[in-house]
Amino acid sequence: GAVVSQHPSWVICKSGTSVKIECRSLDFQATTMFWYRQFPKQSLMLMATSNEGSKATHEQGVEKDKFLINHASLTLSTLTVTSAHPEDSSFYICSARRSGGYGYTFGSGTRLTVV
Amino acid sequence: DAKTTQPTSMDCAEGRAANLPCNHSTISGNEYVYWYRQIHSQGPQYIIHGLKNNETNEMASLIITEDRKSSTLILPHATLRDTAVYYCIVRVNTGTASKLTFGTGTRLQVTL
Repeated sequence: GAVVSQHPSWVICKSGTSVKIECRSLDFQATTMFWYRQFPKQSLMLMATSNEGSKATHEQGVEKDKFLINHASLTLSTLTVTSAHPEDSSFYICSARRSGGYGYTFGSGTRLTVV
Repeated sequence: DAKTTQPTSMDCAEGRAANLPCNHSTISGNEYVYWYRQIHSQGPQYIIHGLKNNETNEMASLIITEDRKSSTLILPHATLRDTAVYYCIVRVNTGTASKLTFGTGTRLQVTL
């Protein structure tokens, strides 16, 4: 149990376009999901906390208007990278915790390349 | 959440036990010790967690010192598939909205 699905697994987009990444909890409801970004050979950095039915909480230094988060249901959160630029190229990972469960479950990640 | 300190990298021969240390000297009484690992280009995978007592599951054992200032993750019989970055995280176990903060972790290389 406690499976988190992330889609797409990789995406290439042109500079200036927007990209949407989906994160779904397949077998549990997640009122809160988390979005991380990871650059090569670095650790995971928390970008934002996604709350179902309310505004996301972005970490300091993360532009909320550039990294749009929507958590419209208890099983789906989306991250949209708007007006993407090459410096946004990174590995994006979502996670959620099942209520009453142990630990956090992570998606398999999305590798974004902006050209 | 308390800060953790881990060695940058470790090597282990296949079939041997891998012992990964973690220092968390500023841990509070209500903070748990969590271990995750990340295999290259994948999302982190939960391994084990504990508060005071030693814990064991199908993947690993977690040994926490009596003063809780340090812990060791033990992979009893390491295989090549255990090559990954291992993260030790301490945090309060306060429900689903508490975030996980990752440090730099230990890069474990399992060799033949």
